[in-house]
Amino acid sequence: EDQVTQSPEALRLQEGESSSLNCSYTVSGLRGLFWYRQDPGKGPEFLFTLYSAGEEKEKERLKATLTKKESFLHITAPKPEDSATYLCAVQARGATNKLIFGTGTLLAVQP
Amino acid sequence: DTGVSQDPRHKITKRGQNVTFRCDPISEHNRLYWYRQTLGQGPEFLTYFQNEAQLEKSRLLSDRFSAERPKGSFSTLEIQRTEQGDSAMYLCASSLGGSWSNTGELFFGEGSRLTVL
Repeated sequence: EDQVTQSPEALRLQEGESSSLNCSYTVSGLRGLFWYRQDPGKGPEFLFTLYSAGEEKEKERLKATLTKKESFLHITAPKPEDSATYLCAVQARGATNKLIFGTGTLLAVQP
Repeated sequence: DTGVSQDPRHKITKRGQNVTFRCDPISEHNRLYWYRQTLGQGPEFLTYFQNEAQLEKSRLLSDRFSAERPKGSFSTLEIQRTEQGDSAMYLCASSLGGSWSNTGELFFGEGSRLTVL
């Protein structure tokens, strides 16, 4: 069964303290892996798509990387406004358009 | 605002009542999705439309749930005979896609929160 596991469940950082979030996945053929950010009471906001092992994407203080079994979201010198839940999702190959989401990592960045 | 719009934002109902949610996607988007999210969980896929055709439904979508997108624009999600377990945030998303490209880059609305008493 296709599955996504994210760790840690919650992470508290000081402003400027870099860290990484992990997304492990099991899927019957990966079409794409996606990172989303979700603020409280809002819908998820798309961040990145990764298609193949070795691929990297960057946006401001965020960098996403992909291997054959997991993805990392690296946060460099975070700011309080980076506080949110970060969701990872995968899409399997085949005739499906659904995303399978993990439970997310709740990130809190303290000033 | 040209984002995905959902209505109502909040709905409180009694068990056994029917509820309907509406989603207006980004105007040029041909793909529309419904997801459900409970507290502390990631969104769970419910159903997918390409234009007016409902092409994919989750096994989670019981017979009490029905979704439509009659003219390929807005969509409705109806839940009949609501149960307490239906309490969740119902998220609508849209995207623009031809073949399989960018099918995971979804634009989500702010959701409709359902509470069943």
